[in-house]
Amino acid sequence: QVQLQESGPGLVKPSGTLSLTCTVSGGSIINWWSWVRQPPGKGLEWIAEIHHSGRSNYSPSFKSRATILVDKSKEQFSLRLNSVTAADTAVYYCARDNGSGKSLFVFDIWGHGRMVTVSS
Amino acid sequence: SSELTQDPAVSVALGQTVTITCQGDSLGMFYASWYQQKPGQAPILVIFGEDNRPSGIPDRFSGSSSGNTASLTITGAQADDEADYFCNSRDSSINRAVFGPGTKVTVL
Repeated sequence: QVQLQESGPGLVKPSGTLSLTCTVSGGSIINWWSWVRQPPGKGLEWIAEIHHSGRSNYSPSFKSRATILVDKSKEQFSLRLNSVTAADTAVYYCARDNGSGKSLFVFDIWGHGRMVTVSS
Repeated sequence: SSELTQDPAVSVALGQTVTITCQGDSLGMFYASWYQQKPGQAPILVIFGEDNRPSGIPDRFSGSSSGNTASLTITGAQADDEADYFCNSRDSSINRAVFGPGTKVTVL
């Protein structure tokens, strides 16, 4: 059974860079993988996705600040978000996208989430 | 670009049936997926595609769609079904995921 685990600093200073890693265990990294965030008390927001080949897609809302990368040898993928502000405070989830055909962006496996606070 | 809309909250009596809806232009082209989220936990996929349940999801959860509206029905709601439910799909114009704002389901 594939499991995902987010890791990275839980506190980032304003204007700094948020860096998170998602480790895939119990299965193959051959798939599409996404980052989704959830500000406290709010809904889910998709940030970006990456294929094991390295192809990636970004939400226009984050394209100028986000970078998503994959490291197949470590079975990890990562997110970097630059120039963070308090509005970036959220729980960040990594998720597997198992969609196809007319059913796309189907997130069938999620990590537990990593709470990241942007504060000085 | 496209957005998905959901009713903020709905309540259902224990054992009764409740249907929550998700509306958006993209749902005329793509299926919605539905996620259950309980406080402090990660979302769980409960319905995807035309009406598919991942392994382990009770068969009281079902999905349907018509035009630009997708629906999630819980038949015989249990106390354990009390949660927030989010829908999502692909954007109608660009390759990105969009989520609805969520519906809080209360089981009375």
